[in-house]
Amino acid sequence: SAVISQKPSRDICQRGTSLTIQCQVDSQVTMMFWYRQQPGQSLTLIATANQGSEATYESGFVIDKFPISRPNLTFSTLTVSNMSPEDSSIYLCSVGGGGSYEQYFGPGTRLTVT
Amino acid sequence: GQNIDQPTEMTATEGAIVQINCTYQTSGFNGLFWYQQHAGEAPTFLSYNVLDGLEEKGRFSSFLSRSKGYSYLLLKELQMKDSASYLCAVRGLSGGSYIPTFGRGTSLIVHP
Repeated sequence: SAVISQKPSRDICQRGTSLTIQCQVDSQVTMMFWYRQQPGQSLTLIATANQGSEATYESGFVIDKFPISRPNLTFSTLTVSNMSPEDSSIYLCSVGGGGSYEQYFGPGTRLTVT
Repeated sequence: GQNIDQPTEMTATEGAIVQINCTYQTSGFNGLFWYQQHAGEAPTFLSYNVLDGLEEKGRFSSFLSRSKGYSYLLLKELQMKDSASYLCAVRGLSGGSYIPTFGRGTSLIVHP
């Protein structure tokens, strides 16, 4: 199994600002995923971050809005840029895939944009 | 693309059995997952099916039929703590990688 921590756990931000969310895993993993979960909704994949390469973004998400870093096999960051109230959501880091079928989730970062 | 469909909400009685269905369409199928998510918490892994048939794990079982694009999660001897959202997720081929896509989730309410 993998233990995942995220910082911050929650934040309230003003419109137009940016927030960087950190994800730390207790073991080396190849694939890391960033999801968004809006109130009452399921998880939407934002991007897949592999170490040593550019993140792969899903339809509807762009690098300018959600830049991602993956400096090593245990850490990643997601930045939510130029925030608007529509970005209010829970952002979840997840690891898994590759040879392991099980996918683990971090505790999430609850973001409120005012 | 991928499409996953599951009921929005179900209710059941404590001690009973409930079956949550999931139908899907995907390219390059590489596994189906069920997750449990309590309000305000991250999803936790319940089960994984990649071959047809039933996988049993304690009170929870999961079934898969790849030819029908169909799965169900069976919960036996329901307890109040089983009240949660249950997410069906399918891993399919996207851009050369196997990516999991989640359904909207089924909110299960267990009442006494």
